[in-house]
Amino acid sequence: DADVTQTPRNRITKTGKRIMLECSQTKGHDRMYWYRQDPGLGLQLIYYSFDVKDINKGEISDGYSVSRQAQAKFSLSLESAIPNQTALYFCATSDRTGLRGQYFGPGTRLTVT
Amino acid sequence: AQTVTQSQPEMSVQEAETVTLSCTYDTSENNYYLFWYKQPPSRQMILVIRQEAYKQQNATENRFSVNFQKAAKSFSLKISDSQLGDTAMYFCAFMNRQTGANNLFFGTGTRLTVIP
Repeated sequence: DADVTQTPRNRITKTGKRIMLECSQTKGHDRMYWYRQDPGLGLQLIYYSFDVKDINKGEISDGYSVSRQAQAKFSLSLESAIPNQTALYFCATSDRTGLRGQYFGPGTRLTVT
Repeated sequence: AQTVTQSQPEMSVQEAETVTLSCTYDTSENNYYLFWYKQPPSRQMILVIRQEAYKQQNATENRFSVNFQKAAKSFSLKISDSQLGDTAMYFCAFMNRQTGANNLFFGTGTRLTVIP
């Protein structure tokens, strides 16, 4: 089984709709992250969490919110989706050392029409 | 703030040949790690190799090696004996260890095509 899972894998939604992307991990890591990938821009950090009680904004948090329901679960919400939020979204985890980098989920392709 | 620059949007290499992908970064920190990630068409992000800034020795993982020049803030990836499965996007990434957050800052990527 995959260590980091994301649901859904693909989603098409309409402008103005609320949508939640979910991430679960079995690696036992305390740090979790949400990234967005746009063509030609690499990955950009949206939010990150040290643990359940510690959530921080990343580079591009406007229009997004997150919830860390448990150590293993970290959800990303778009309160009112807009077309320029069409992108590939990745969840990732890291242990405290960071020595092995981050472990990434398979990604969610989100299209906002 | 940290910035990571990959100046080669696309590259190609003949199968079995060697190719080098470039990466430069800008930081005022001393405690950091550098990584190369591979993203094949499946879109999964796969760690290729890492380098700890305090280590002078260049990291090597089988056919993949890096040339880490700390003073020049350069971190290039060399792929030897290129294989068709190496075709992918390659991202250079920087991790600042100072804050403990382990956030990654990515370059914009290099699309590598291995030609049979």
